[in-house]
Amino acid sequence: KAGVTQTPRYLIKTRGQQVTLSCSPISGHRSVSWYQQTPGQGLQFLFEYFSETQRNKGNFPGRFSGRQFSNSRSEMNVSTLELGDSALYLCASSLNGQGVDEQYFGPGTRLTVT
Amino acid sequence: GENVEQHPSTLSVQEGDSAVIKCTYSDSASNYFPWYKQELGKGPQLIIDIRSNVGEKKDQRIAVTLNKTAKHFSLHITETQPEDSAVYFCAARPGFQKLVFGTGTRLL
Repeated sequence: KAGVTQTPRYLIKTRGQQVTLSCSPISGHRSVSWYQQTPGQGLQFLFEYFSETQRNKGNFPGRFSGRQFSNSRSEMNVSTLELGDSALYLCASSLNGQGVDEQYFGPGTRLTVT
Repeated sequence: GENVEQHPSTLSVQEGDSAVIKCTYSDSASNYFPWYKQELGKGPQLIIDIRSNVGEKKDQRIAVTLNKTAKHFSLHITETQPEDSAVYFCAARPGFQKLVFGTGTRLL
């Protein structure tokens, strides 16, 4: 059974640009969550999608957005990039994202903003 | 909402010794408590989890205990080996809400 995959693995962008990251969940998983990880801030929750609907949202500005497709694949977009957006962006999937559902992470996309 | 505190932030042990990482949570509705291990350059890997109706769970050298009354849970690693060096995260989920993570422990 394939795990969670994320593309691209590494990305270098310039301030002001926008970026789109992609996540393919484990087959059969319908919940996809996104996290930002920086050395000083740990795992910061961005948002969660379930059945193409955003179900939970973290405390991030509107420059961060996402969507989920009918096959449960998800994308997140960051517009008008800032230096502080440099981080490891992690995607995680679970069956339904509730109760005792196990959540599995992908390898992450390392974004560097210059 | 749920708040998870994790201690210590760094833990240094000798090979062969035991390591214990502790977490406390605030929401009594939390019923699921996973632990993740993150190695350098990789995403967090689920290593063990415990449900609120269980007090202890073991998997080889790893064990997790849960004290619902005190609202704390712990990860125990016995006979530590060099490959156990990583950052460990605890998490809690209150019912139908999202997972809330601790701040991580770097095990050396």
